[in-house]
Amino acid sequence: DVKVTQSSRYLVKRTGEKVFLECVQDMDHENMFWYRQDPGLGLRLIYFSYDVKMKEKGDIPEGYSVSREKKERFSLILESASTNQTSMYLCASSTGLGSPLHFGNGTRLTVT
Amino acid sequence: GENVEQHPSTLSVQEGDSAVIKCTYSDSASNYFPWYKQELGKRPQLIIDIRSNVGEKKDQRIAVTLNKTAKHFSLHITETQPEDSAVYFCAASIDSNYQLIWGAGTKLIIKP
Repeated sequence: DVKVTQSSRYLVKRTGEKVFLECVQDMDHENMFWYRQDPGLGLRLIYFSYDVKMKEKGDIPEGYSVSREKKERFSLILESASTNQTSMYLCASSTGLGSPLHFGNGTRLTVT
Repeated sequence: GENVEQHPSTLSVQEGDSAVIKCTYSDSASNYFPWYKQELGKRPQLIIDIRSNVGEKKDQRIAVTLNKTAKHFSLHITETQPEDSAVYFCAASIDSNYQLIWGAGTKLIIKP
């Protein structure tokens, strides 16, 4: 069974802090994704990566960056956290184009 | 670009009755349509998907229908049970594209 692990379940940070969210998958998947989930807005794609060191912007990349140095790990970075980045962050992976996504349990980030 | 609209936003049905959730999409090139279920506090999980070369797919009490001409697809749950209570998301994508375009979600409530 595919396992996607996010490093933190809950995180509280202060405005202006640099925040790292880590995601690791154990199925050698090519593609990895970072989503943000807010009530009434569904799932919004922040960034995705289809290969090591490759990254593509999603729908809402502003204020975020990503890093994929190894195939199994995809990191989301908030350069300077702001209160409007308080949200649930979901990492996902997939084998290829048009294939199902496997999600992690999510990180609920609160920025105060 | 592609847009996916999902209705209703909340659906309340009596246990044992059927539930139907509908999604419409805008890009006629879309050819992959998954449905995800997210129980409270848990990760979204794929429950069923359909590709554009078929009109219907069933898996026990769950079925998905696709009308390419009208550009809409629907999730049907029969003989609903308490464990069906969750938020359901539809999505659409083109096989050549890494991104899924998501609906806003439907909260399904099963009344005892």
